[in-house]
Amino acid sequence: AQSVTQLDSQVPVFEEAPVELRCNYSSSVSVYLFWYVQYPNQGLQLLLKYLSGSTLVKGINGFEAEFNKSQTSFHLRKPSVHISDTAEYFCAVSDPGDAGNMLTFGGGTRLMVKP
Amino acid sequence: EAGVTQFPSHSVIEKGQTVTLRCDPISGHDNLYWYRRVMGKEIKFLLHFVKESKQDESGMPNNRFLAERTGGTYSTLKVQPAELEDSGVYFCASSQAPGGHNPYEQYFGPGTRLTVT
Repeated sequence: AQSVTQLDSQVPVFEEAPVELRCNYSSSVSVYLFWYVQYPNQGLQLLLKYLSGSTLVKGINGFEAEFNKSQTSFHLRKPSVHISDTAEYFCAVSDPGDAGNMLTFGGGTRLMVKP
Repeated sequence: EAGVTQFPSHSVIEKGQTVTLRCDPISGHDNLYWYRRVMGKEIKFLLHFVKESKQDESGMPNNRFLAERTGGTYSTLKVQPAELEDSGVYFCASSQAPGGHNPYEQYFGPGTRLTVT
């Protein structure tokens, strides 16, 4: 069975500072990896995904993530955050062998950007 | 293109009552998923439809939950009778069939916040 751990439930950061949101997964098989963001009163929006190929994945809004197979991690980074990045971020995995593509989520990380 | 919509956005009901949540997926998306987030916990998978067929309902908590997708379009999730532990946010998501442009991307609705008192 797969599991996802987001080590930080909340991350406060000042505007224009860099940020890293951590995600580790546990799986005995290869995985697809995703980061979703939820802004207040909205649904989850896909930031980026890793299916195969380059381990450095670039997404929307200046975010990127790096897949590290040996450390089973998929940390999300942004070099300079804006107030508008304040939201909850979710890391998720799915099994490429699962035709249903069910997502397994981490507990979420609230990013709080302060002026 | 309209996104995934869910109705209602909020529902407050008493223990023992019945509630029906509705999800309208993106037009043409064969796959429809229900997930739930209980307060303070992870978002968890409930079930998956392919068109009108239930592909995987391994995440349904018990037989008080009934999901349908008549005609392969919108879906409903009924909770009857509701219990206190059913409170949470219920998300619906849809995705294209395999072979589509982005078959692995699930598009989520804003969720229905259910409070059982």
